[in-house]
Amino acid sequence: AQSVAQPEDQVKVAEGNPLTVKCTYSVSGNPYLFWYVQYPNRGLQFLLKYITGDNLVKGSYGFEAEFNKSQTSFHLKKPSALVSDSALYFCAVRVPTGANNLFFGTGTRLTVIP
Amino acid sequence: DGGITQSPKYLFRKEGQNVTLSCEQNLNHDAMYWYRQDPGQGLRLIYYSQIVNDFQKGDIAEGYSVSREKKESFPLTVTSAQKNPTAFYLCASSTWDRVREQYFGPGTRLTVT
Repeated sequence: AQSVAQPEDQVKVAEGNPLTVKCTYSVSGNPYLFWYVQYPNRGLQFLLKYITGDNLVKGSYGFEAEFNKSQTSFHLKKPSALVSDSALYFCAVRVPTGANNLFFGTGTRLTVIP
Repeated sequence: DGGITQSPKYLFRKEGQNVTLSCEQNLNHDAMYWYRQDPGQGLRLIYYSQIVNDFQKGDIAEGYSVSREKKESFPLTVTSAQKNPTAFYLCASSTWDRVREQYFGPGTRLTVT
């Protein structure tokens, strides 16, 4: 069975500091991994994805994520947080040879403090 | 929110009434999806459709119905059989390729009292 865990419900970081939002996954097979961001009362916006190749993936708004197969993790990072980064972040996983579903984590609320 | 529109943004209904949520996309995507979002539970898949006139149940299909008569449209009906219909509903679409990166609409917040 596929599953995604975001171990932190909330992350708080000071503006200008680096941020990390954690994601671990459990799948049988090689995963496709995604990060989405959601602002209040809005839909999800795509940030980045890992399909294959370089373990460090760069995405929108200065975000990046590192795929670590041995630790089954795909943590989202940004070198310098902005107040406007405050939002709800979702990690998602799909196994291309398995079920058709995209499985989402429960989300992490990021608050960047001015 | 790309080329996916959902209407209305807010919807209020009395218990026992069926209600239909609209989802339209102009991305020429073959696949469309409906998710339900509740606080602390992430997104859960209700139904998805790979192609016109075909759809499959997701993880929480009970109390919901869909149709896919046109490629651009994938309406969701929340029936009176759905025990806890109050939620935020998100529609998404994707190509039906190996990656299936999904694009989301702005959502409809349904409140049933």
